Amino acid sequence: AQSVTQLDSHVSVSEGTPVLLRCNYSSSYSPSLFWYVQHPNKGLQLLLKYTSAATLVKGINGFEAEFKKSETSFHLTKPSAHMSDAAEYFCVVSTSGTYKYIFGTGTRLKVLA
Amino acid sequence: EAGVAQSPRYKIIEKRQSVAFWCNPISGHATLYWYQQILGQGPKLLIQFQNNGVVDDSQLPKDRFSAERLKGVDSTLKIQPAKLEDSAVYLCASSSMDRWDFREQYFGPGTRLTVT
Repeated sequence: AQSVTQLDSHVSVSEGTPVLLRCNYSSSYSPSLFWYVQHPNKGLQLLLKYTSAATLVKGINGFEAEFKKSETSFHLTKPSAHMSDAAEYFCVVSTSGTYKYIFGTGTRLKVLA
Repeated sequence: EAGVAQSPRYKIIEKRQSVAFWCNPISGHATLYWYQQILGQGPKLLIQFQNNGVVDDSQLPKDRFSAERLKGVDSTLKIQPAKLEDSAVYLCASSSMDRWDFREQYFGPGTRLTVT
């Protein structure tokens, strides 16, 4: 069975410092992995996706993530946090053939001025 | 291209009342999903349609929730009767069958339901 674990429910960083949001997955098959962001009272927006091409994936707004099969991880990073990055972030796994999304529990990112 | 549309955006009802939500997916998207997102949690899949057929409704509380997708385009989700624990955001998403895009789901803005 597929599952996703987001290791931190809350992360606080200062503006201008790096962001690291951690995600581990479990999948019996070759997974597709996604990061979505959800701002308050907004829908889910795709940040980036991994679909078995390059292991380092670049997304919107300066975010990137690296797929590490040996560690079953897909951590989200950004070199320099901006106040507008404050939001809830969800790691998602989707496995071949089902098209189903399995969501992590989310990480709330707080950016301090 | 227009995104996934949902209405209403907000709804407040009393327990035991009924409510319906509407979703219009991205044009041409064959697959449509309804999720329930309780405050502080990740979205949970309620039902998945492929065209107008149900692919997965294993987590839909069928005693009170129902959904349909007539003509394989827009969809409605109904709750009757509502309970306090149904207070949540109901998200609709759609995806295409394009081999390069089929795993990506596109989400609507959601409907925030409050049951009092």
